[in-house]
Amino acid sequence: AQKVTQAQTEISVVEKEDVTLDCVYETRDTTYYLFWYKQPPSGELVFLIRRNSFDEQNEISGRYSWNFQKSTSSFNFTITASQVVDSAVYFCALSEGGAGNMLTFGGGTRLMVKP
Amino acid sequence: DVKVTQSSRYLVKRTGEKVFLECVQDMDHENMFWYRQDPGLGLRLIYFSYDVKMKEKGDIPEGYSVSREKKERFSLILESASTNQTSMYLCASSLGGFGETQYFGPGTRLLVL
Repeated sequence: AQKVTQAQTEISVVEKEDVTLDCVYETRDTTYYLFWYKQPPSGELVFLIRRNSFDEQNEISGRYSWNFQKSTSSFNFTITASQVVDSAVYFCALSEGGAGNMLTFGGGTRLMVKP
Repeated sequence: DVKVTQSSRYLVKRTGEKVFLECVQDMDHENMFWYRQDPGLGLRLIYFSYDVKMKEKGDIPEGYSVSREKKERFSLILESASTNQTSMYLCASSLGGFGETQYFGPGTRLLVL
């Protein structure tokens, strides 16, 4: 079973629409970290946010917000008033500790924002 | 700012060639990682290193080896490139603690003909 599931493989919106990218994870650990990364067409993964399992507070950073719900094992990402520059592939990832601080990535969601 | 650089953005090699992909980070990070990214398969970990001269296999190490002689540099080696190794290769680094953020380089698109 996948440990990190991003069920939406592709989303298309028109500029200024709000959009939510879903991430559902699976772990037996009580201590873990969750991440979101953005991969624009240039290819580099850009770090967006890190959240540990003990901090369920939602976070807002400009037009970006994240909703972490342990009860549903979800860590969803919302972009408000989307812009063309938000077009990218977005990855959710889980770190459960262990050697090397490895990440397990979801399959990614391609977001296309049309003008 | 964390800076992770990779030696090439694009690389074209022939089947059977030995290929070196270099990654350098400037933040004194303990951990370094090599991933490959393929359509429909997401990011898969090839190898990682948690210290100089130390390495651990990831999910798909077959056909690859790595070298870490200095803390800032982590090399991925394809001993005899094959067409199924055509992919995007991403390097990352992080501090050594649990849950530390991995920072990625720009990636190398490798085409093996």
